Amino acid sequence: DTAVSQTPKYLVTQMGNDKSIKCEQNLGHDTMYWYKQDSKKFLKIMFSYNNKELIINETVPNRFSPKSPDKAHLNLHINSLELGDSAVYFCASSQRPYRTEAFFGQGTRLTVV
Amino acid sequence: AQKITQTQPGMFVQEKEAVTLDCTYDTSDPSYGLFWYKQPSSGEMIFLIYQGSYDQQNATEGRYSLNFQKARKSANLVISASQLGDSAMYFCAMREGEVSGTYKYIFGTGTRLKVLA
Repeated sequence: DTAVSQTPKYLVTQMGNDKSIKCEQNLGHDTMYWYKQDSKKFLKIMFSYNNKELIINETVPNRFSPKSPDKAHLNLHINSLELGDSAVYFCASSQRPYRTEAFFGQGTRLTVV
Repeated sequence: AQKITQTQPGMFVQEKEAVTLDCTYDTSDPSYGLFWYKQPSSGEMIFLIYQGSYDQQNATEGRYSLNFQKARKSANLVISASQLGDSAMYFCAMREGEVSGTYKYIFGTGTRLKVLA
């Protein structure tokens, strides 16, 4: 069983389109995250939710909107896609108390053309 | 200012040798966690080892050990007996925000390790 699963794994789309990435975790964790990994491999946190409540919003353009329908799911919707949005997006989850690692999904490679 | 600094963009090591990947961190939180992840060319993030800020002993997991020097704010990863499969990108990460309740994992820029046969 995959612990943190993201769909789709690859996404190629045109500028200006709207797209969504879905994430689900079956670990029973309270906290979920979205990270963006750019072409230089730098991993930057975008959002964090704890029990469906937004905890962290790291100055991400408001074209990016996370949605957590329940604590096992955290989706990322991106409006009006731009070339600079091309990256690998990782979903992750972790459990409080935080003596454990964050578990990552396999990543979604988004290419905007 | 960088919260996690990895000063080695790339490293080479001979197979079966040991290698140390450097990591320094910066935080004012009294309680935090330090992690190392491996990212092979296939792209997944693989957890390797964890060190809590209050842990007295250095963490070890198989061939991986974490050299934790709290006063120096360093958390270097040591890989013993390198294998060809160890060739990958390695990220040091810190989890802070335990006091504020934000709990975020902050990553360094990574070190690309190449193991030579």
